[in-house]
Amino acid sequence: SYELTQPPSVSVSPGQTARITCSGDKLGDKYACWYQQRPGQSPVLVIYQDSKRPSGIPERFSGSNSGNTATLTISGTQAMDEADYYCQAWDSSHVVFGGGTKLIVL
Amino acid sequence: QVQLQESGPGLVKPSETLSLTCTVSGGSISSYFWSWIRQPPGKGLEWIGYIYDNGRTNYSPSLKSRVTISADTSENQFSLKLSSVTAADTAVYYCARVAVGATNFDYWGQGTLVTVST
Repeated sequence: SYELTQPPSVSVSPGQTARITCSGDKLGDKYACWYQQRPGQSPVLVIYQDSKRPSGIPERFSGSNSGNTATLTISGTQAMDEADYYCQAWDSSHVVFGGGTKLIVL
Repeated sequence: QVQLQESGPGLVKPSETLSLTCTVSGGSISSYFWSWIRQPPGKGLEWIGYIYDNGRTNYSPSLKSRVTISADTSENQFSLKLSSVTAADTAVYYCARVAVGATNFDYWGQGTLVTVST
């Protein structure tokens, strides 16, 4: 079955750029999206179709997808961005989630 | 504004069947993909399956033998049944929507914790 691999954690200093990767076989041939999940809350979509931002998501969130890797980039990271982030894609009519990455802002 | 609300027992005994319902308000359940997703405590998201096109379904290969998702368009609800549960099925269960032609979930329920225990 198809798998998406994310690093368990990424650390970043406030104001710096955080990059979270999501790897899967030929992922660049699929659309990837990203969700932010704060403790005790439902996931919130922050990037869809590789690089599009939903209404209400700050411009500091951006995405890219090429080859085997999709990347979520958070520029000028703020303390409020500390959360778990999940990538998601489709494969053969099935939904696949990455294992999640905890973004630590310190 | 579309809203999704999960409901069902918070405690299920091992070997029994877990049953949850998602009630959709603010829009019809026609013309969308409606999905169940779960998250064990402290772990990541796991897709369970979806229903679309007034009854067509697709399930996660790892759960397919135990899962049934159905819809009641008259009540604007869809449901999950997971049979022969064990402690490993303890999780927060979410219902969520994918728009036709989209590849992401745009609306999520608040989630409901189901514990499998005697």
